[in-house]
Amino acid sequence: AQSVAQPEDQVNVAEGNPLTVKCTYSVSGNPYLFWYVQYPNRGLQFLLKYITGDNLVKGSYGFEAEFNKSQTSFHLKKPSALVSDSALYFCAVRDMTNYGGSQGNLIFGKGTKLSVKP
Amino acid sequence: KAGVTQTPRYLIKTRGQQVTLSCSPISGHRSVSWYQQTPGQGLQFLFEYFSETQRNKGNFPGRFSGRQFSNSRSEMNVSTLELGDSALYLCASRTLPSREETQYFGPGTRLLVL
Repeated sequence: AQSVAQPEDQVNVAEGNPLTVKCTYSVSGNPYLFWYVQYPNRGLQFLLKYITGDNLVKGSYGFEAEFNKSQTSFHLKKPSALVSDSALYFCAVRDMTNYGGSQGNLIFGKGTKLSVKP
Repeated sequence: KAGVTQTPRYLIKTRGQQVTLSCSPISGHRSVSWYQQTPGQGLQFLFEYFSETQRNKGNFPGRFSGRQFSNSRSEMNVSTLELGDSALYLCASRTLPSREETQYFGPGTRLLVL
């Protein structure tokens, strides 16, 4: 079965320090990977995605993610964290199992709460 | 462009009632998906519609249903509400139901079942 795991429930970072939010995946075939962020009482905001090509993907608000096929990981990174980055982050993979890969819903991880302290 | 809009934003119902939630996708987006978010189960896929047809369905009971209109707007209905249906219901749209296409989410409808 296809799945995605976020091993950390919470990540604490000091403002100005680099941050990493971890994500590992399990899929058959090539993965289609996404990161979303959720602020309190809001929906999900798209940050970035990996479809193919360069392993380093750049996204919104200074975030980037590194795709590592050998480690089946897609960690989210930012060089310098801001207090306003504090939110819930979700990694997701496109489900390719049931509909011939041409459609597919998103399978989400449990989410990682990022807390950035001043 | 305006984002995905969902109405109502908040809803309180009692057990046994039914509820209808509405979603208007981003202009030009023809695919609409619905997800349920709860603290215990996280984000779970309900169903996806494209061209007024359900293309994909998650593992939810038949009490959960949906439809899509010719203007791509979508509604989901939950009948015979249970306490466990309390959740944030998120709608997402994309241009086509293609693996590369990004899904953009609305703010959600928070449903509380008493």
